[in-house]
Amino acid sequence: DQQVKQNSPSLSVQEGRISILNCDYTNSMFDYFLWYKKYPAEGPTFLISISSIKDKNEDGRFTVFLNKSAKHLSLHIVPSQPGDSAVYFCAASEVFYGGSQGNLIFGKGTKLSVKP
Amino acid sequence: EAGVVQSPRYKIIEKKQPVAFWCNPISGHNTLYWYLQNLGQGPELLIRYENEEAVDDSQLPKDRFSAERLKGVDSTLKIQPAELGDSAVYLCASSPRVGTEAFFGQGTRLTVV
Repeated sequence: DQQVKQNSPSLSVQEGRISILNCDYTNSMFDYFLWYKKYPAEGPTFLISISSIKDKNEDGRFTVFLNKSAKHLSLHIVPSQPGDSAVYFCAASEVFYGGSQGNLIFGKGTKLSVKP
Repeated sequence: EAGVVQSPRYKIIEKKQPVAFWCNPISGHNTLYWYLQNLGQGPELLIRYENEEAVDDSQLPKDRFSAERLKGVDSTLKIQPAELGDSAVYLCASSPRVGTEAFFGQGTRLTVV
């Protein structure tokens, strides 16, 4: 059973517009959420994270929103650039030392294409 | 600061042969992960280390996979014998604090023929 779900395999956006990538989770014990970006033939690169004590975290063009009641988070990229074209992975964990709770659990990813 | 280093980048082997992957994490990162990634899927955890201790190896197929992290720094993941279904990208990641930002290496793409 998937604990982290990215239901949109792909997304296409025009350059300069907003990209919104969505992620849902089922485990209510998750308290830390991350977004990664992956280019072909490279490992995932950490992008931005958010703790469950917050509902928004912003870093430049990237903003992550967390809705705990809906078990939903989203990544907003504004404005989108062609270089943002990549696969984006959502990940979640329980920040608890010991046992399996500290594992990062990943979704299947969403491929973003930003067209010039 | 150097990132996570993995080697080799690519490996092609015949089925039933052994193979090993090596990972050097970021200095000072006590948490080390090995993930497997199949095409079109997200990374799936194989094993997590805290220092030299394997704290979660529940997803590691122990009949053919083994891992070690000597002295709590470098780590090696081994498959013996390899099967066709093991063809995937094997990713190593390290983190300064368990459950938070993990930094990935470039991965090793394994092809079993």
